[in-house]
This record gives sequence, C-alpha cells and structure tokens, in this order.
Amino acid sequence: GAVVSQHPSWVICKSGTSVKIECRSLDFQATTMFWYRQFPKQSLMLMATSNEGSKATYEQGVEKDKFLINHASLTLSTLTVTSAHPEDSSFYICSAIAPASAKYNEQFFGPGTRLTVL
Amino acid sequence: GENVEQHPSTLSVQEGDSAVIKCTYSDSASNYFPWYKQELGKRPQLIIDIRSNVGEKKDQRIAVTLNKTAKHFSLHITETQPEDSAVYFCAATIKAAGNKLTFGGGTRVLVKP
Repeated sequence: GAVVSQHPSWVICKSGTSVKIECRSLDFQATTMFWYRQFPKQSLMLMATSNEGSKATYEQGVEKDKFLINHASLTLSTLTVTSAHPEDSSFYICSAIAPASAKYNEQFFGPGTRLTVL
Repeated sequence: GENVEQHPSTLSVQEGDSAVIKCTYSDSASNYFPWYKQELGKRPQLIIDIRSNVGEKKDQRIAVTLNKTAKHFSLHITETQPEDSAVYFCAATIKAAGNKLTFGGGTRVLVKP
C-alpha cells in the first residue's frame, strides 16, 4: 500500500514553454503532498507543501508564480513549471502523507520526473 | 528553520565492513528522523526511521541511534554488500511544523567487492 505515482517520468521542453507534472496517491487519500527539487549530485530541497483545497505554502526562495501548484483532489496534486528555462532542468519529486498511516509522519515518494529544458 | 548536516559526503568501504553516517540537526523540536537510500534516477526509499522518544532502533543489518541532547543521529550498516552502494540521506521533521522534511546533504556510499 501507500503508492505514489508521477507523470510524466521524464520530459524535454523548449525554453519558454510550460510543463505540468502530476502526482497521484494511488491507494490512499493524501490531504498533504510535498514537492521537492533535486539537482544532480545534490540533496532534495523542499519547494512547497500542497494542501487539498487550499493554496500551497512555498518555501523561501521558491517563486510561486513560476511553480504553480494545484491540489484539487485528495489523490492528485500538480506542479506546473511556467516559462521554463534551462536552469529549471532538474529532478522533481513529490511525496504524500497518508493520514491513516501506521508510521509516524512517514512520507511516500513518487518516482520523480526528470525535466530537461533546452 | 531546521538545518540538517550530514557527514561524510562520500564513504568507501570494503565489502563486509561497517559503514557509519552521522547527522546533526538544529531544531530541538524535531521528533522524527528517517533515513533514505536513493539509487541513481530513482525515488528515495525509506530504510529505517526513529522517533524522538527512542534512542536506538535496529532492522537486520541497519541500525539508527539518536542522541536528543546532542541533537545528532547516526546510521550504521553492518556487513556491507555491493548492493548497499547508493546515496543515503538523513532527514528530520517537526510534526507541529506540518511534517516538512529537511534533508541532509547526502552520503555517497561505495562498497567495494
């Protein structure tokens, strides 16, 4: 149980275009999802906390108008990278907390999306 | 906010030897400390975790210790195997702060056969 999927797994786009990444909890309802960004050989950096039915909370330094997050249902959160540029190329990973999880605060991670902006 | 430091950044061990990775955290309110293993291009996988009310936890070849007073926790892998080669991340979270995870910088472990 507690499976999180992401789509697409990889995407290549031209500079200036927008890209949408989906994060789904497949077998549980997630009131809270998180979006992370990971550059090569670096750690995961939290971008924002996505709460179902409300606005996302962004970490300091993350542009909310550039990284649009929508958590419209208990099983789906989307991250849209608007007007993408080469420096946005990264590995984007989502995670979700299952409210009924037996583990304490455990987050379940999606497989990640590799974004390359040309 | 929380800050998590992780050492060493790289670790090379001979197969069968032990590996130890250490992390320190800054916020005494942190109450959950997971460890993740990440292979190249894959998602982080939880390998063990510990809560703030426990000092030590073991799962087969993996153990984690927590010293709340000193605000540090460590991962111990015994009898290392080549398949243990990966990047390991420690993390800390404060439930009262919305369960946000703060990750350490990562340790690249190489187990030489």
